Parts: sequence; structure tokens; C-alpha cells
Amino acid sequence: GDSVTQMEGPVTLSEEAFLTINCTYTATGYPSLFWYVQYPGEGLQLLLKATKADDKGSNKGFEATYRKETTSFHLEKGSVQVSDSAVYFCAPRYNFNKFYFGSGTKLNVKP
Amino acid sequence: EADIYQTPRYLVIGTGKKITLECSQTMGHDKMYWYQQDPGMELHLIHYSYGVNSTEKGDLSSESTVSRIRTEHFPLTLESARPSHTSQYLCASKPPGAISSYNEQFFGPGTRLTVL
Repeated sequence: GDSVTQMEGPVTLSEEAFLTINCTYTATGYPSLFWYVQYPGEGLQLLLKATKADDKGSNKGFEATYRKETTSFHLEKGSVQVSDSAVYFCAPRYNFNKFYFGSGTKLNVKP
Repeated sequence: EADIYQTPRYLVIGTGKKITLECSQTMGHDKMYWYQQDPGMELHLIHYSYGVNSTEKGDLSSESTVSRIRTEHFPLTLESARPSHTSQYLCASKPPGAISSYNEQFFGPGTRLTVL
């Protein structure tokens, strides 16, 4: 069945370090791909998305590229800040009624 | 800015009580969803709705029920709460679109439920 595999956390980085959070999805159909972020005590917010192969989603310095050949949508940021500390969810969307959320990766950024 | 609201934000109740978690959105979205988020942070879809008078069960079996009498309102009810229902419940909605898979879901802030 359709699913998503996300890098386990927590990930602890120092400020200004490079971030990669891996995400791979099952290659059933042609999903749209999303990254959501959940800051402490808040609901989920859309961070970025990509709807077709080779598209790059970007927002707030984060980027992720839709890689159909490797069925991946890894999240990257060149220089993380303390304010980026949150839980990040990868979520492919195969049809109108279902997202498949990854298990979430908690990011801790230390000053 | 998403306009989707959940009340209460926090609820602590005793076993056996009936509770209703409220979810409302003012965006006119047709599709709405309930997720249960466990302590390990995973989200599990427990209910969804295509529109008024439409409700479906999600991937995770849940003893809760939902109703969709109005477009903007999608309440979730537990007839008899138990400690195993302790979790965070997230409501979401999605706008219509020609290619539905392109549209993101908008999430409410969540209700953190504790059943003693």
C-alpha cells in the first residue's frame, strides 16, 4: 500500500548547521509531496510542496526537490536557526482524501 | 492565514464521560479531516468528510463518531471516554480544486485530550 518513510529523530544541530531530513515514499501513482511543520504547542502548518517530478518547493530557507527516480523528497536548509526547532512531517498525497504523514522528525537547534 | 478553529484546546475529563471536540472553518472548504496524533508524533487519519452529510472512517480505527450537518462544522464525539483515548486530535480542511492532490490541508491548533 501507499506509505512514506521519514528519517527518525530527534535531530540536534547547532545554529547555522546544515540540515537534511530524509523522506521517501512508495511509488504508487504520482503523488503531490508536502512538508508540514509543527512548532511547539501549535498545529501543523504547510512548509512547502512540490506537485511534479523535478519541482523544487521552497519556503523560509527550506528546500525540497521531487525526485521521482529515487522516490524521495528530502528537506534541506543551509543554515538552521533556533527558531527552526519543531517537528517536521513529510506527507505525500495520492488522492483527494488522503495524506500519508510520516512519523515526524523532531529538530532541536541549539544556540 | 488559515481560519480553522478547534475547541477546547485542552480537556481533562474522567472515564465514562461523553465529550464533543469542536472544529469549524470559515473558508468554505468542502473536505474536512480528523487526525489523532499519538505521543510518538505520528498522525493517523480517523475520519474524513467530502461535504455535508458525508462522513467516512479513516485508516485508524476509532471509537469516535463525526457528523457534517453544515459545511463549516465537523464535530467529533466520544460517547464514553476512556484513558486509551488520551491523545491530541487535529482537525483539517482542504479547498476544492481541479486537481485535488495539489491542494494542501489547513490544520487547526489541535485539542489535547486527557482521560483520567
